[in-house]
Amino acid sequence: GENVEQHPSTLSVQEGDSAVIKCTYSDSASNYFPWYKQELGKRPQLIIDIRSNVGEKKDQRIAVTLNKTAKHFSLHITETQPEDSAVYFCAASSGPINTGNQFYFGTGTSLTVIP
Amino acid sequence: NAGVMQNPRHLVRRRGQEARLRCSPMKGHSHVYWYRQLPEEGLKFMVYLQKENIIDESGMPKERFSAEFPKEGPSILRIQQVVRGDSAAYFCASSPWTDTQYFGPGTRLTVL
Repeated sequence: GENVEQHPSTLSVQEGDSAVIKCTYSDSASNYFPWYKQELGKRPQLIIDIRSNVGEKKDQRIAVTLNKTAKHFSLHITETQPEDSAVYFCAASSGPINTGNQFYFGTGTSLTVIP
Repeated sequence: NAGVMQNPRHLVRRRGQEARLRCSPMKGHSHVYWYRQLPEEGLKFMVYLQKENIIDESGMPKERFSAEFPKEGPSILRIQQVVRGDSAAYFCASSPWTDTQYFGPGTRLTVL
């Protein structure tokens, strides 16, 4: 089955700096890669996702890049703010587009933005 | 459009009792997933259901755990004869016909 590895496990940045979180996956059939943000005691919330037919996607201060050949994808947060502090999870999913499939999650990155 | 609902939010059981966790998907969503999260760990897939069907239960322990998603009503995750190791946060997620999943607030199960 799929194996998703996520690095780093913890990350501290100064407010205003950029943060980068990287994930690798093992199954070349994986074609959907969402990123979730989870604040303490709260539900995981989808912040951005990317499909395998796209190399990069951006939404304001958040961007995700995908390298299918190397089987890795990354989350980039620019101009970080204290409210960006949370645990971020990457995930990978395979199967036909527009159908349900289980997600394989990374182990999470605890991001702290220092004011 | 209400989000994914889960209840109870907190559940305390003694060893050997049964735990029933409920999940109501977002309106219009026919796919339900259950995940378990241990403290300071990631989310582990347990089971994927559609109405009246279990599609993938590869992540669910073979014994004591069962799940259903009836034609009417919420999806239920049932844990029989709970043990301390079952203490965790259990999240359900739902999706429409696409593969994007939206999570509920979770049920935090504590086994004494």
